[in-house]
Amino acid sequence: GDSVTQMEGPVTLSEEAFLTINCTYTATGYPSLFWYVQYPGEGLQLLLKATKADDKGSNKGFEATYRKETTSFHLEKGSVQVSDSAVYFCALTRGNLIFGKGTKLSVKP
Amino acid sequence: DSGVTQTPKHLITATGQRVTLRCSPRSGDLSVYWYQQSLDQGLQFLIQYYNGEERAKGNILERFSAQQFPDLHSELNLSSLELGDSALYFCASSVEGEWETQYFGPGTRLLVL
Repeated sequence: GDSVTQMEGPVTLSEEAFLTINCTYTATGYPSLFWYVQYPGEGLQLLLKATKADDKGSNKGFEATYRKETTSFHLEKGSVQVSDSAVYFCALTRGNLIFGKGTKLSVKP
Repeated sequence: DSGVTQTPKHLITATGQRVTLRCSPRSGDLSVYWYQQSLDQGLQFLIQYYNGEERAKGNILERFSAQQFPDLHSELNLSSLELGDSALYFCASSVEGEWETQYFGPGTRLLVL
């Protein structure tokens, strides 16, 4: 069946460091791909999305590119802030959203 | 604030009991989704309702049921509770035609003792 695999956390970075969170997927066809973020004590929020191959989603300094050849949708940010500390979920659509297990990011000042 | 509200915020109950979780979608959103987030299973889709009708079903146990009322609020009923049902239950809603963009509520944390 369809699935999403993302890197295990937690990931701990210093402020202004470069962030990469890896995400790969298994699916038939070409699903839309998403990154959702969950801040402590809150529900999930859509961070960015891409609907077709080679699309780049971007928001709040975060970017991810839909790579069909590697079935990947890695999340990147050039300079993280303490306020980026959260759990990040990669997801795909297959009639409904299928999520990865989440990656916890902690950013230290 | 996503505009989706869920009550209660926390719920503690005993095995074998039945509970009801409530969700109010964003104003104008016709679709409501329920998800379960647990440490071992991660975030899993349970069920979707659209304008009062069941639209899609995921990994929802037979002990669980849901419904959406004419005012579009939804309730998730969990019965014969087991320890393993302890989890965070999220509700989400979406605009018609943009179901891929879902707005999540803050969740209800259920603890079964």
